Amino acid sequence: GAGVSQSPSNKVTEKGKDVELRCDPISGHTALYWYRQSLGQGLEFLIYFQGNSAPDKSGLPSDRFSAERTGGSVSTLTIQRTQQEDSAVYLCASSLLRGTHNEQFFGPGTRLTVL
Amino acid sequence: AQTVTQSQPEMSVQEAETVTLSCTYDTSENNYYLFWYKQPPSRQMILVIRQEAYKQQNATENRFSVNFQKAAKSFSLKISDSQLGDTAMYFCAFMKHNAGGTSYGKLTFGQGTILTVHP
Repeated sequence: GAGVSQSPSNKVTEKGKDVELRCDPISGHTALYWYRQSLGQGLEFLIYFQGNSAPDKSGLPSDRFSAERTGGSVSTLTIQRTQQEDSAVYLCASSLLRGTHNEQFFGPGTRLTVL
Repeated sequence: AQTVTQSQPEMSVQEAETVTLSCTYDTSENNYYLFWYKQPPSRQMILVIRQEAYKQQNATENRFSVNFQKAAKSFSLKISDSQLGDTAMYFCAFMKHNAGGTSYGKLTFGQGTILTVHP
């Protein structure tokens, strides 16, 4: 079946603009994760959605970052008033959480460049 | 909080030879999983191998095996008969879970090791 998809694959924006990054998880996966991969910080957890539970937002670096997951499926990560340090690859992953079926399947990422 | 450390920023190996990538971690948790992920230039993260911390037996997946030393908090990856397609960045990752095995979600990653396989 289809894997995790993300769009756009690349995004170039100007400092101060807002951006939205989209993630389509694998159908039936109840959990969805966002990570950020940057040269200086490596791979960092941002936010985690699990079913109807309140999301774990503990990794969001500032209040300029937010995410939502509509209908338990598609997720959008929004970055407001982008800064140059937001430049990174944003990875989305999804998984089941039943028993030990917890492998996270990753999308190809969105490369964000803030000029 | 958990930390994962990969002390080898880069490694290289000749095709068909064996290479070992190192990973250490620090945690006070008793229930957790450890993973090795591969990220080729395409950026697609792919799970290579998984180890449940409660299992003493080291996980193996074809040419990939781990040496899991729980007391030392060490989790190295051995790649046997290296192939050109193994060229990628490799990440060691940690995930805690509850006693029933359901994960708490987030992965904590090491800094990564770039592996280059030479013909």
